[in-house]
Amino acid sequence: DSGVTQTPKHLITATGQRVTLRCSPRSGDLSVYWYQQSLDQGLQFLIQYYNGEERAKGNILERFSAQQFPDLHSELNLSSLELGDSALYFCASSRRTGTYTGELFFGEGSRLTVL
Amino acid sequence: DAKTTQPNSMESNEEEPVHLPCNHSTISGTDYIHWYRQLPSQGPEYVIHGLTSNVNNRMASLAIAEDRKSSTLILHRATLRDAAVYYCILGETSGSRLTFGEGTQLTVNP
Repeated sequence: DSGVTQTPKHLITATGQRVTLRCSPRSGDLSVYWYQQSLDQGLQFLIQYYNGEERAKGNILERFSAQQFPDLHSELNLSSLELGDSALYFCASSRRTGTYTGELFFGEGSRLTVL
Repeated sequence: DAKTTQPNSMESNEEEPVHLPCNHSTISGTDYIHWYRQLPSQGPEYVIHGLTSNVNNRMASLAIAEDRKSSTLILHRATLRDAAVYYCILGETSGSRLTFGEGTQLTVNP
């Protein structure tokens, strides 16, 4: 158990819909990262937040957005869903940003299926 | 992001050592070498990381070449539970995101 909690574990929805994925980081961790893992593209970095502020952006589509709240939990919002958005979405947390300490703690992921 | 090259797959027998290679010829002086693994249906799990010197922890050892252009993750006695995809990743000390490649699928035979 990494200490990172993601909900829901599984989600099935239709094209055009909007979903929200939630992540609670490990206690005391200020940074939250979102990754997408699909069969054909591997693990792709989407976005990072540190203490409520966006710190780094990766291959995140404009239809996707994220935020980190004062209690440090984070939400990833996916809208106008397409079949290709079907994937595992992982959240990870770490204690610091800037100087990398070497370890990200990943949750078990949210599996999104778009029909 | 500096790139790493790993074999697509490797096989090992249970209770034997495993040496997983990684080439990173374009590594910069400030890049750390990280290893993560991903077991089936789970999120990636940190294994080990290092900068210049060899590193040991309870899970594995990391041997880094003197020129830092390659490294080897060593599992001293493979178990069936070690069957996973192993990712070798370079991370900048000034940043904190990790870019995952394809990794090496390790199969452990009983």
